[in-house]
Amino acid sequence: GQQLNQSPQSMFIQEGEDVSMNCTSSSIFNTWLWYKQDPGEGPVLLIALYKAGELTSNGRLTAQFGITRKDSFLNISASIPSDVGIYFCAGRGGATNKLIFGTGTLLAVQP
Amino acid sequence: DADVTQTPRNRITKTGKRIMLECSQTKGHDRMYWYRQDPGLGLRLIYYSFDVKDINKGEISDGYSVSRQAQAKFSLSLESAIPNQTALYFCATSVAITGELFFGEGSRLTVL
Repeated sequence: GQQLNQSPQSMFIQEGEDVSMNCTSSSIFNTWLWYKQDPGEGPVLLIALYKAGELTSNGRLTAQFGITRKDSFLNISASIPSDVGIYFCAGRGGATNKLIFGTGTLLAVQP
Repeated sequence: DADVTQTPRNRITKTGKRIMLECSQTKGHDRMYWYRQDPGLGLRLIYYSFDVKDINKGEISDGYSVSRQAQAKFSLSLESAIPNQTALYFCATSVAITGELFFGEGSRLTVL
């Protein structure tokens, strides 16, 4: 079946550092979505990507749809304490065309 | 007020009890979903519904059932709860064209 690998599992960084996380798929995807989940809350959509090579920013966040259509990355520049949370990628495509989620990246930011 | 509202937010119950988690939305979306979140496993789809008369099983539907009472309401039931159903449950909605999901705040269920 389809697999979606997200890395790293967790990151512990200092305020002001840049962050990068990525997801890779065993199948070709036609959509990549990036979500953030704050403690005690539901995931909130950060960035949506629909075309291979697409690079989209949302404030200090930038995400790209990989040219092979099997990967995507999310960068956060100049991290701040409120960036703390779990970041999920989600992709749609392959034989089922269903949306599947990565296992999440836990981000901790030290002030 | 949240666009996707889940009740209850927290529930502790015993093995064998029937539990219902409710979801209502004011976004006007046709599509609704129930996901389960476990540490290290991400979000897994339990059931989804594209319309009031449409119900589909997700990847982990065993032990669960759903009811789509109206366009805005989608409930999840555990007929006889068991401890490994202890998890955080999320309801979500989406628009057909983009497929972007909008999540509720979650319902934490503990089965003793």
